[in-house]
Amino acid sequence: GAGVSQSPSNKVTEKGKDVELRCDPISGHTALYWYRQRLGQGLEFLIYFQGNSAPDKSGLPSDRFSAERTGESVSTLTIQRTQQEDSAVYLCASSPRRGLAEAFFGQGTRLTVV
Amino acid sequence: KQEVTQIPAALSVPEGENLVLNCSFTDSAIYNLQWFRQDPGKGLTSLLLIQSSQREQTSGRLNASLDKSSGRSTLYIAASQPGDSATYLCAVRPDAGGTSYGKLTFGQGTILTVHP
Repeated sequence: GAGVSQSPSNKVTEKGKDVELRCDPISGHTALYWYRQRLGQGLEFLIYFQGNSAPDKSGLPSDRFSAERTGESVSTLTIQRTQQEDSAVYLCASSPRRGLAEAFFGQGTRLTVV
Repeated sequence: KQEVTQIPAALSVPEGENLVLNCSFTDSAIYNLQWFRQDPGKGLTSLLLIQSSQREQTSGRLNASLDKSSGRSTLYIAASQPGDSATYLCAVRPDAGGTSYGKLTFGQGTILTVHP
C-alpha cells in the first residue's frame, strides 16, 4: 500500500480480555516501530523491529505485552489480560534501512479498555 | 540515554506571525532528525527530515535547521496560518555505526495554536 496501515482503527474491549493490533508497513521498509500515546501525553516507545528481529524491546511495559513480525511485513502487537491503564492510541511507524531512513506513521489504533 | 526536549510546550500566536519551535537533544551521535506534525486524534505526519551531515531543510513555509554539535534543532514557520495549528514533534534517530538502526526518541511536543 501507499502508507502504513493499522487495524483496527478503534477497539473497545473489556478488562481482562486479550487484544491484537495489526500494522502493515510500507512495502520494502525494514524497520518497524510501535509507540503508545496516552491521552494528552507524549509518545512512549514500545518496541522496534529490524526485519523480523527485535533489537530493542525495552519499552514493553510488562510481560502482558508482546509483538511479532513476519519477515519484513506485517507486525502484530498483542496485549494480554488488558487493564484500564492500557487505554491509549497505539501508533506504528516504518522506515527503510538505507538512505534517508525517513519514518512514516500509521493513523493509529485507539484502544479503550472498559 | 538520549533525551529530547522541546520548548515551548505551548505557543499561541496571531495569524501571519513567523515563529520558531525549538528542539534539543543530549546525545549528538545522531543519524538524522525528523520533525512531525500531529493533528488531534490523528497519527503523525512527517514534515522535514535532516540528515546529520546537513544544516537545514526547507519545505514551503517550513525551514528546519540542525546544529548537531550543540544538540539543537529549530523549526521555523513563516507567515503562520490557522491551519498550522497542531502539535509539532521532533525525533532523533541514533547513529549506530553509520547505519540507520535504532529507535526514534521523541520530544514531548509543542502545541501550536494560530488564531485568526
